[in-house]
Amino acid sequence: EVQLLDSGGGLIEPGGSLRLSCVDSEFTFSSFAMNWVRQAPGKGLEWVSQITSSGSTYYADSVKGRFTISRDNSKNTLFLQMTRLRAEDTAVYYCAQGRDEFDPWGQGTLVTVSS
Amino acid sequence: DIQMTQSPSTLSASVGDRVTITCRASQSVSNWLAWYQQKPGKAPKLLIYKASNLASGVPARFSGSGSGTEFTLTISSLQPDDSASYYCQQCNKYPYTFGQGTKLEIK
Repeated sequence: EVQLLDSGGGLIEPGGSLRLSCVDSEFTFSSFAMNWVRQAPGKGLEWVSQITSSGSTYYADSVKGRFTISRDNSKNTLFLQMTRLRAEDTAVYYCAQGRDEFDPWGQGTLVTVSS
Repeated sequence: DIQMTQSPSTLSASVGDRVTITCRASQSVSNWLAWYQQKPGKAPKLLIYKASNLASGVPARFSGSGSGTEFTLTISSLQPDDSASYYCQQCNKYPYTFGQGTKLEIK
């Protein structure tokens, strides 16, 4: 049973913008912190951002000022607005639930930044 | 930022072996440490939270220990399905950080 469904990835030119979405099929979405974690091709995991249940937001230094995390609790949906994209932002982006440890995870959506 | 260092980076072991992966933090994270398993092309899966708590549905051959700056993930009797990459993650302080990963291969 799929709980988190990521979408919105694709091929985008450097300097462009993209918005990722993650829909939670459970009705407890609003009670949990949510995260974005990314994985560049052949590399390890990198935490990107978190939004708590109360709406506080946190970012990795590598994306601060360029990415914005948000949530729509009425639609059980998490977003990541990405601007001024760079080649080094190329990765599979996963949404994941939890304030501390992350469980469950979405299946991931691939973002490729290239001209 | 808190740096997380795993060792070894790669590991080859036989079915039935006892396997240990180490994760060291550059400063104390108390017990705010999680372990994940990731298979190729798949999302990570939570194995251990708060250093030593087994996540729901995870086989009892997996265990975690440690506190402060040094942690271990142990597989008591390696199974073929355990071939994967393993990551530690500190959730004590933002920005959260992961170890670089340990790739475990079955001989």
